[in-house]
Amino acid sequence: KAGVTQTPRYLIKTRGQQVTLSCSPISGHRSVSWYQQTPGQGLQFLFEYFSETQRNKGNFPGRFSGRQFSNSRSEMNVSTLELGDSALYLCASSSFDRSTDTQYFGPGTRLTVL
Amino acid sequence: GQNIDQPTEMTATEGAIVQINCTYQTSGFNGLFWYQQHAGEAPTFLSYNVLDGLEEKGRFSSFLSRSKGYSYLLLKELQMKDSASYLCAVRGPYNQGGKLIFGQGTELSVKP
Repeated sequence: KAGVTQTPRYLIKTRGQQVTLSCSPISGHRSVSWYQQTPGQGLQFLFEYFSETQRNKGNFPGRFSGRQFSNSRSEMNVSTLELGDSALYLCASSSFDRSTDTQYFGPGTRLTVL
Repeated sequence: GQNIDQPTEMTATEGAIVQINCTYQTSGFNGLFWYQQHAGEAPTFLSYNVLDGLEEKGRFSSFLSRSKGYSYLLLKELQMKDSASYLCAVRGPYNQGGKLIFGQGTELSVKP
């Protein structure tokens, strides 16, 4: 089975711009979660989608949004970028079958805001 | 509230055994995960505990005590490639979405 894929892998933007990141989960997985990872804050949960519905949301401003498509692929969008948004954005998928309840991470998108 | 504590850094010698502890205080519990993350890479799944006791998987073992809110990851026969960050994560209650809350991670350095 192919793993979780994320595109692009690296991105450089300037303050005020907006960005869209993409995540394709493992085939058959219906849950996709997004995380932001920075050296100071560690891994912070952004949101989770399951069957095209946002099931959970972390404590991030409304500039961070996401969606999930019928094929389970997910996108997250960050508008009006700030310097502090520079981070590694990780996507993780799971089948959310309680007996095999494991999240598998993609390689991440490294976003740099200048 | 949700709180997960792990030591920030640990150092161990190649061939030795190291134990990385994790304590948690969460509003609900549906399993504890350990992930390994090498610098610049994504976290990779190591172990999952939902019941009390020890789960062994090769050189890695993970222990859970739900009553104490405590887990540890045991790494045996340490190798240089085990130098990485080890993340402890707790899954919250399913009726609240079952989201994963991560600790800050423990940076393990394995010395020759």
